[in-house]
Amino acid sequence: KQEVTQIPAALSVPEGENLVLNCSFTDSAIYNLQWFRQDPGKGLTSLLLIQSSQREQTSGRLNASLDKSSGRSTLYIAASQPGDSATYLCAVRWGTSGSRLTFGEGTQLTVNP
Amino acid sequence: GAVVSQHPSWVICKSGTSVKIECRSLDFQATTMFWYRQFPKQSLMLMATSNEGSKATYEQGVEKDKFLINHASLTLSTLTVTSAHPEDSSFYICSARDLRDNSYEQYFGPGTRLTVT
Repeated sequence: KQEVTQIPAALSVPEGENLVLNCSFTDSAIYNLQWFRQDPGKGLTSLLLIQSSQREQTSGRLNASLDKSSGRSTLYIAASQPGDSATYLCAVRWGTSGSRLTFGEGTQLTVNP
Repeated sequence: GAVVSQHPSWVICKSGTSVKIECRSLDFQATTMFWYRQFPKQSLMLMATSNEGSKATYEQGVEKDKFLINHASLTLSTLTVTSAHPEDSSFYICSARDLRDNSYEQYFGPGTRLTVT
C-alpha cells in the first residue's frame, strides 16, 4: 500500500531557529513530491514541487530534498519566523500519470516570538 | 495565475437538506478536478476525481449517490452533498489541473467549511 508519513506531528520552536520537517513514503517509484502549507481553516499553498529526477528544490528560506532510494523527503526552513506557523503537508504522486496525490497527516509548526 | 476559487467559503445547513459547493478555475482550463475532505486535525482524503464531460471516479468508501459531482465545463465542477447529516460536517477542498502543465501540478481552492446541524 502506498502511504505517506510525516514526523513529527507537531513542532514548537523559538524564532530564528533552523528546522527540518520529515516525510517518508512507502514506494520509491514516485512521479513527484510536493510540499504544501495550510493555515488554519484555509486551503493549501504549494511551497515546493520536486520531480522524481531531482534531488532538491529551493525557494527563499525553504529547501526540500528528495531521496527516493530511502523513501524520504525533508523540508528545511531557515531562520524561522512566527509567520511560518502553519501545518505543513507532504504529498506524493506515484505512477507515470502523476495525477493522484497522497497526503501525509502533516506537521503542525509553531514558531514562538 | 492558476487560481482556483470555491463558493461558498462556509455553509450551515439543516440535517436532511442538500448543499452544493462550486469549484472554479479562474484563469486556466482544468481538464481534471479533485475533491478532498478534511476532518479536524487530519489530512486531506481524496473523495473523487472528475474529468470534464465524463462521470467522476469515486474513491473506495465514498458514496457516489450521496456526493454528486458534476464537471460540465473546463472551468467549473460542483459537489452536491445530498441529504446531509451531521457526520458530513467537514472541510471540503477542491483542486484543479491545468491542461498545459506537464508537471501535473494541482492548484487548490481555499476550501468550504460545511456544518450540518
